[in-house]
Amino acid sequence: QKEVEQDPGPLSVPEGAIVSLNCTYSNSAFQYFMWYRQYSRKGPELLMYTYSSGNKEDGRFTAQVDKSSKYISLFIRDSQPSDSATYLCAMSPFISNFGNEKLTFGTGTRLTIIP
Amino acid sequence: EAEVAQSPRYKITEKSQAVAFWCDPISGHATLYWYRQILGQGPELLVQFQDESVVDDSQLPKDRFSAERLKGVDSTLKIQPAELGDSAMYLCASSNQGANYGYTFGSGTRLTVV
Repeated sequence: QKEVEQDPGPLSVPEGAIVSLNCTYSNSAFQYFMWYRQYSRKGPELLMYTYSSGNKEDGRFTAQVDKSSKYISLFIRDSQPSDSATYLCAMSPFISNFGNEKLTFGTGTRLTIIP
Repeated sequence: EAEVAQSPRYKITEKSQAVAFWCDPISGHATLYWYRQILGQGPELLVQFQDESVVDDSQLPKDRFSAERLKGVDSTLKIQPAELGDSAMYLCASSNQGANYGYTFGSGTRLTVV
């Protein structure tokens, strides 16, 4: 069993819909949770970051962490065609003084927003 | 905006040949990572450098892969000999002390072994 599980999709929704992307994990040591967006033929770019449990909102994006259930979510409101990409969740047990430590990624969910 | 530079963008090589990838991190970033992303999967760490020192290479197949960061700036990842299963995207990333959490990734090198 992988440490991080993510539904690979693909997921297609109409423009303007609310999108829900999810990951589950098994390692209770994970404390830092991130969402990356990856466009085709590009490297991943950091979208959202949260520490421990709770919610974090940034514009149309909301990240939720439920450590008791080992479940994290990313919600996209008023989805746009430009949101079409692969979304990767990533996790780490700690952040050192040197920056980030090894991240464990999900497999990514491929999302298409239909105009 | 500062970027992580990688070259080449694409590489096709025959199996058993040697291949090398280059990465130039964001200026001043002490930590550099090489990840491998197989199509349809998430990135997996191959090696992590702190300045010129290797911090973690536990997932690097050392019989055929090598990585170096001699002056603690740019880095080279080499595969010799390449195998069909090495076909993947090779991503370089960097981060720095006190930086925003999460790495900055380069655009990657897409390797195809034929």
